[in-house]
Amino acid sequence: GAVVSQHPSRVICKSGTSVKIECRSLDFQATTMFWYRQFPKQSLMLMATSNEGSKATYEQGVEKDKFLINHASLTLSTLTVTSAHPEDSSFYICSAPHQGASGPYNEQFFGPGTRLTVL
Amino acid sequence: DAKTTQPTSMDCAEGRAANLPCNHSTISGNEYVYWYRQIHSQGPQYIIHGLKNNETNEMASLIITEDRKSSTLILPHATLRDTAVYYCIVRVGSYDMRFGAGTRLTVKP
Repeated sequence: GAVVSQHPSRVICKSGTSVKIECRSLDFQATTMFWYRQFPKQSLMLMATSNEGSKATYEQGVEKDKFLINHASLTLSTLTVTSAHPEDSSFYICSAPHQGASGPYNEQFFGPGTRLTVL
Repeated sequence: DAKTTQPTSMDCAEGRAANLPCNHSTISGNEYVYWYRQIHSQGPQYIIHGLKNNETNEMASLIITEDRKSSTLILPHATLRDTAVYYCIVRVGSYDMRFGAGTRLTVKP
């Protein structure tokens, strides 16, 4: 199946700094990617939709100025957590849709996730 | 999206079939049933999806009731590596998947 990678896999930063997380589709192009956040013992929550060539669309309650998304190319989307605080510590996961072997509807392929810890 | 209801947790003996139920009584005619799983500290993994017919692939089988108000994911021979949280999602397409609480399946030796 298609592969989505994330970098870094784990990051620890000081409060007030900004952190950039990369999401790449390795063997396919993705005009759209999705960013999720997952707190411990909770489910994934969709944060935003990243669109190549246009602005990202954010879910209700997600601050677009805090979570900057740039879809730089057909294979790369970045999420920057600006002025990170301890409450931003979470598991961030991206996904990209791709035509799978299962048929006409795209499957979502998820990255391995990035664990952010803000001290 | 149609709301789904899954048991919070289930146990299964290694080597036995794991049957994970999902209720989706408000499903509409053009919505598919998707199943994903998430092994601890990893990204979700696609398992299977279906519209109204039963489906089978190398990972699992999906049984959808005739009225489409519920479905069951079957892992025919569960292994310890199948321990994960399993998510049932009902969507028209697979874009912007929204996850509920899922079922935590524990496969025991």
